[in-house]
Amino acid sequence: SQQGEEDPQALSIQEGENATMNCSYKTSINNLQWYRQNSGRGLVHLILIRSNEREKHSGRLRVTLDTSKKSSSLLITASRAADTASYFCATYNNNDMRFGAGTRLTVKP
Amino acid sequence: SAVISQKPSRDICQRGTSLTIQCQVDSQVTMMFWYRQQPGQSLTLIATANQGSEATYESGFVIDKFPISRPNLTFSTLTVSNMSPEDSSIYLCSVETGHNEKLFFGSGTQLSVL
Repeated sequence: SQQGEEDPQALSIQEGENATMNCSYKTSINNLQWYRQNSGRGLVHLILIRSNEREKHSGRLRVTLDTSKKSSSLLITASRAADTASYFCATYNNNDMRFGAGTRLTVKP
Repeated sequence: SAVISQKPSRDICQRGTSLTIQCQVDSQVTMMFWYRQQPGQSLTLIATANQGSEATYESGFVIDKFPISRPNLTFSTLTVSNMSPEDSSIYLCSVETGHNEKLFFGSGTQLSVL
């Protein structure tokens, strides 16, 4: 069953702008991960943040985690048209991974 | 890392027939996972397939409907049996390598049942 709730469900921005997506979850976690999916194909792992970490960076990606609020955010800076995709958070706890509903990001050139 | 070859990439099937989806991994992995993604929805885990043992199914999924084979550490199949239009979805296989906890996915099988 689904664990994470993401918002917004859909986000449309102009190229060059920043995109922020949020994920909330309900139970304790070992880590939280973000994945990207292009056009209903396979998911690609973007970044993993552990429960004892608060912030992590990878290129244009910045992820934060607030375990007290059970929430995470993914920030994509200086977005490009090629960033258009669906983004999913996934919580991992004791060999159990659950995916959120996803945010559909559209970056207009 | 792991590279997964999943096929077919898409198929259109008639009601009542069955389709077998194959996933081949370029390295030996202990656990393989099969997910379903209904149109516009998130991923739902169907079952976990470990080599040498029966697959473990999640609530709402049964072996008769979704039989899984795992003959070795690099290969698995998922069969969608006696299909109905409600089975129209994307089916994804994935693996976890080692204990790094992140998943690698196949490219997905887009199934349409008429």
